[in-house]
Amino acid sequence: QVQLQESGPGLVKASETLSLTCTVSEYSINSPYYWDWIRQPPGKGLEWLGSIYESGSAYYNPSLNSRISMSIDTSANQFSLKLRSVTAADTAVYYCTRREASGGFDYWGQGALVTVSA
Amino acid sequence: AIQLTQSPSSLSASVGDRVSITCRASQGISTALAWYQQKPGKPPKFLIYDASTLEKGVPSTFSGSGSGTDFTLTISSLQPEDFATYYCQQFKSYPITFGQGTRLEIK
Repeated sequence: QVQLQESGPGLVKASETLSLTCTVSEYSINSPYYWDWIRQPPGKGLEWLGSIYESGSAYYNPSLNSRISMSIDTSANQFSLKLRSVTAADTAVYYCTRREASGGFDYWGQGALVTVSA
Repeated sequence: AIQLTQSPSSLSASVGDRVSITCRASQGISTALAWYQQKPGKPPKFLIYDASTLEKGVPSTFSGSGSGTDFTLTISSLQPEDFATYYCQQFKSYPITFGQGTRLEIK
């Protein structure tokens, strides 16, 4: 059973950089799947942030205005998210996920709440 | 970006009822659509892909249909554990987008 676990600071100051890591267990990240980040502000819907492939090629949501970057570390079986210049609007639960060939997100982490403080 | 609009935004129903949720795409996406169920405090659960294919382990009371711009998620006989929020998601093109969600509540 594939397991994903988000880790990182739960509180980030406005204008600073949000950094999260997703550790994948029971499955090699060095496989033909995309590894994605999705967030959900409190009480709101889901927003896709970006995808990264085992090769390191990445796709980002243009709504983030180039504030986002993702990386993958196949030796550690982890992938990471950085979101620069955060504001209160970036406060959300951040999920890491696996996206299968069909395009659906079949495995999700439990989510990490990140709060941006003034 | 392709926009997905779900209707209704909320829905009240009883155990045993048949309910349907629709998802309309702003442009044609063939069958590149998935459905998810989310309960409070939990990550979404993957239900359906390719518009109509049930993920392993999903009860057969769930079904999906549609292609192009109009899609439907149907629950044929509501069970107590089905009361949750449902989202559609398209993967025809980047950026991947979700519908705004439909909250299914107990009447």
